[in-house]
Amino acid sequence: EAGVAQSPRYKIIEKRQSVAFWCNPISGHATLYWYQQILGQGPKLLIQFQNNGVVDDSQLPKDRFSAERLKGVDSTLKIQPAKLEDSAVYLCASSLVEGLAEQYFGPGTRLTVT
Amino acid sequence: AQSVTQLDSHVSVSEGTPVLLRCNYSSSYSPSLFWYVQHPNKGLQLLLKYTSAATLVKGINGFEAEFKKSETSFHLTKPSAHMSDAAEYFCVVTPTDSWGKFQFGAGTQVVVTP
Repeated sequence: EAGVAQSPRYKIIEKRQSVAFWCNPISGHATLYWYQQILGQGPKLLIQFQNNGVVDDSQLPKDRFSAERLKGVDSTLKIQPAKLEDSAVYLCASSLVEGLAEQYFGPGTRLTVT
Repeated sequence: AQSVTQLDSHVSVSEGTPVLLRCNYSSSYSPSLFWYVQHPNKGLQLLLKYTSAATLVKGINGFEAEFKKSETSFHLTKPSAHMSDAAEYFCVVTPTDSWGKFQFGAGTQVVVTP
């Protein structure tokens, strides 16, 4: 079974530029999550999708971050404009069902904002 | 509200000796608890999970954890450390009435010396 795929793996941009990350979850997984992991901290949930609808985006900085999951499969996370404090690893995860099911994580995208 | 505290940010053990990673949680509802491991440049991998069944949970690679409600703890142990256990470990809590809202601890970095 293929795992969660993410691209790119690494990205370096200057502040005020825009960037987009892509995630392809495990086939058949209805729930998709985006996390931000700042160096030395645990991952923090940014947004959760159930199929193509948003379940929770309470911690997403909506003035600069946006995410979509068209057709309930792939998802993109965008930052525009980026700030220095956005430097982090962005993790995508998926689960078969919402609730108690374990989440399967992709390798992440390491973003450096200079 | 829910939260999780990993009591040690770094643990150093010798190969072949026991490993103990401590985790305390707080949750308004009966929680589900997980331990994940993150090797460098790899995605988070599930080690084990507790979902209100047996309080002693066995996971992969010889790890196990015991849920102690009276102590609000979910410590992770392994009888004999291997060099490949060097990684970062995250304790995760989610209340059973939520929509899979994982709350991660800050992580414990494990170093294994020969």
